[in-house]
Amino acid sequence: GAGVSQSPSNKVTEKGKDVELRCDPISGHTALYWYRQSLGQGLEFLIYFQGNSAPDKSGLPSDRFSAERTGGSVSTLTIQRTQQEDSAVYLCASSLGPEYYEQYFGPGTRLTVT
Amino acid sequence: EDKVVQSPLSLVVHEGDTVTLNCSYEVTNFRSLLWYKQEKKAPTFLFMLTSSGIEKKSGRLSSILDKKELFSILNITATQTGDSAIYLCAVESNDMRFGAGTRLTVKP
Repeated sequence: GAGVSQSPSNKVTEKGKDVELRCDPISGHTALYWYRQSLGQGLEFLIYFQGNSAPDKSGLPSDRFSAERTGGSVSTLTIQRTQQEDSAVYLCASSLGPEYYEQYFGPGTRLTVT
Repeated sequence: EDKVVQSPLSLVVHEGDTVTLNCSYEVTNFRSLLWYKQEKKAPTFLFMLTSSGIEKKSGRLSSILDKKELFSILNITATQTGDSAIYLCAVESNDMRFGAGTRLTVKP
């Protein structure tokens, strides 16, 4: 079956512009996670959704970052007024529910802020 | 198409055993291979490997990469029940590709 998909796969943007990243989780997966991977770093947790609500937003690095999920499915991560330090691979993962350890990862969006 | 394959998918051992987890990959424009331990919400970073033949070690865990044969192994010696988790391998190329993970269960 279809896995987690993300779009765009690559995004180059100028400093100060807003960007929107999209994640399509596996159908039926109620839990959705956003992570960020900077060059040479491990995964950095950003936000977690259970259904449409986000019980844990603790990882969002600043108020320029926001995310929403609608219909218990697609999620978008928005970064406003991008900065060069926002350059990273943004990964989305989904799982059947929060109690399930198995998270299925998408291919990521590589964001480059020039 | 890029792919990352981990084996075994599941492994049950007893405390004190040594385990070897495998990760093979086929990607274009390889940048790095990463190992993670996943227990709860967010995977915990273990190792990042970029060069062949150089073992990385952290306590009872070690890992090595073979860029010629396109695989990596993660070794855990003297396993403990706290090592029970899903171990994820990911390869960074033009994007990030994760393997399906190996579920390790360590019994007392």
